[in-house]
Amino acid sequence: AAGVIQSPRHLIKEKRETATLKCYPIPRHDTVYWYQQGPGQDPQFLISFYEKMQSDKGSIPDRFSAQQFSDYHSELNMSSLELGDSALYFCASSLTRGNVANEKLFFGSGTQLSVL
Amino acid sequence: SQQGEEDPQALSIQEGENATMNCSYKTSINNLQWYRQNSGRGLVHLILIRSNEREKHSGRLRVTLDTSKKSSSLLITASRAADTASYFCATDGGNQGGKLIFGQGTELSVKP
Repeated sequence: AAGVIQSPRHLIKEKRETATLKCYPIPRHDTVYWYQQGPGQDPQFLISFYEKMQSDKGSIPDRFSAQQFSDYHSELNMSSLELGDSALYFCASSLTRGNVANEKLFFGSGTQLSVL
Repeated sequence: SQQGEEDPQALSIQEGENATMNCSYKTSINNLQWYRQNSGRGLVHLILIRSNEREKHSGRLRVTLDTSKKSSSLLITASRAADTASYFCATDGGNQGGKLIFGQGTELSVKP
């Protein structure tokens, strides 16, 4: 069965550079989520999209932006990278029909971002 | 953590023993879910328990939920070395269209 696909798997950037992470949700899933997980930390919610519209926003810095495209893939754009942005970034998708209650999330393998 | 505490933070047991992990949360919920994460990998959904349920089983997993205490426990019976991973609880915070809020996780090590 198709899973959530994220690319790249690893990314190394310098401070102040930009990075773009991509996510391809499971076909027919209508909701995409982005999470950030620092070393030894729990996943922190960044942002989500339902049917290509932003549906919720968490602790996402102003330097970050995200969007979901007509083919349902999503991109997380990160600018002016800082050392503290080094983390594992996960995308997840689910079929919520607008109601997240009682729905499980399917996670991708993540993008490990290292900012040097 | 946005969500609450999990305890223990780390647990080391022998194969065949049972492992119990606890989770507390802060808000009202519609459901509570448990996820597993192998080191550096994505999270995998294990089990979901609704707010009107008190106990749920799935294979070697048993989850309990006490909404009056805002707490849940995950029991893994007859543990195997392959169960070694981090385990996270997550809630929806009572909202209908948004994110899951994760706890800090329990790192389980099962020694063969």
